[in-house]
Amino acid sequence: DQQVKQNSPSLSVQEGRISILNCDYTNSMFDYFLWYKKYPAEGPTFLISISSIKDKNEDGRFTVFLNKSAKHLSLHIVPSQPGDSAVYFCAASENWAGYALNFGKGTSLLVTP
Amino acid sequence: DSGVTQTPKHLITATGQRVTLRCSPRSGDLSVYWYQQSLDQGLQFLIQYYNGEERAKGNILERFSAQQFPDLHSELNLSSLELGDSALYFCASSVESRSTGETQYFGPGTRLLVL
Repeated sequence: DQQVKQNSPSLSVQEGRISILNCDYTNSMFDYFLWYKKYPAEGPTFLISISSIKDKNEDGRFTVFLNKSAKHLSLHIVPSQPGDSAVYFCAASENWAGYALNFGKGTSLLVTP
Repeated sequence: DSGVTQTPKHLITATGQRVTLRCSPRSGDLSVYWYQQSLDQGLQFLIQYYNGEERAKGNILERFSAQQFPDLHSELNLSSLELGDSALYFCASSVESRSTGETQYFGPGTRLLVL
């Protein structure tokens, strides 16, 4: 049962434009959300997170938006750079459940020059 | 570099065999998590240890077991291996400060191939 869904397997964006990666979840008990970036042959790298008490968190070029009523979050990358090309995973956790992360299947982002 | 180390990087073995994957968490982190990433699947949580004790279990098969040692490194043991166990196995660690918003830092993974 996939509780975190990333419905777009891939996304292609031109350098300098905005990349928007989307994520939906079904478990209303999730209260912490994270985005990880993964290059081939490497482990996931933490990118940015957001608590359920917030609706936006920004870190440099990366902004995560959370819409709890829609059970939806998105990652905005502005401006996109070729080095951002990677697989992006959305993850969520319930505080009581030992902080185990539930991951989406990932979105492969390609930023073209 | 996340500070989490995993060995070996690659492992090739045969069906029915047993293997051990090792993970050293970041300095100061008390929690270790194991995840499996199969082909076309997202990362699936297997098990969590906190300061030597099992804390949470996910979709871990009975053929799989783990432990965390006093020096906080962890081992994941996979036995009676089947072809379907071929996957990437990731270890992650976190401070486990009991506050909401615990970020996990991942190791580079062990790629297991069962032939």
